[in-house]
Amino acid sequence: GAGVSQSPSNKVTEKGKDVELRCDPISGHTALYWYRQSLGQGLEFLIYFQGNSAPDKSGLPSDRFSAERTGGSVSTLTIQRTQQEDSAVYLCASLPFGGETDTQYFGPGTRLTVL
Amino acid sequence: GNSVTQMEGPVTLSEEAFLTINCTYTATGYPSLFWYVQYPGEGLQLLLKATKADDKGSNKGFEATYRKETTSFHLEKGSVQVSDSAVYFCALTGNTGGFKTIFGAGTRLFVKA
Repeated sequence: GAGVSQSPSNKVTEKGKDVELRCDPISGHTALYWYRQSLGQGLEFLIYFQGNSAPDKSGLPSDRFSAERTGGSVSTLTIQRTQQEDSAVYLCASLPFGGETDTQYFGPGTRLTVL
Repeated sequence: GNSVTQMEGPVTLSEEAFLTINCTYTATGYPSLFWYVQYPGEGLQLLLKATKADDKGSNKGFEATYRKETTSFHLEKGSVQVSDSAVYFCALTGNTGGFKTIFGAGTRLFVKA
């Protein structure tokens, strides 16, 4: 079956513009993460969706960042009024159940460049 | 809160050398521990995992043992190959207060022929 897909693969935008990044998880997976990976850095947790529970938004760096997951499937990460420090690779991962033993299945990422 | 600390890279080895990448963690409860790998130009993928103390995860010649007494999950391989060149991430998923996963900073490995 298909893996996790993300779109666009690359996004170049001007400072101050809004961007939307999309994640299509593996069908049937109930949990979904968004991470940010800056050049040469580790993965920074952004937000976690688990089934119908309220998302864990504790990693969102500012109120310019928001995410939603519609119908328990596709997720969109929105960054408003982008800044140059938002430039990074944004990764999405889905999990079958979201329990502590679950493996994360990562998408290829969206590389965001803010000019 | 939970945290993961792994050795800084880059690590450069010759082919057939022994590899150890150290990983220690801080967590409440009984987390599961993971190693993920990111090969050049590819996405992150699971390498191995261990879900309880004293478990050993293994895959592709790599091993790591969940040591609760030393809060460690060091990655080892007896004989590395050029194709093992990648970035390796240690991670934990806690089982208290939600199942959020925490990743280490990653260790880049270069293997020379």
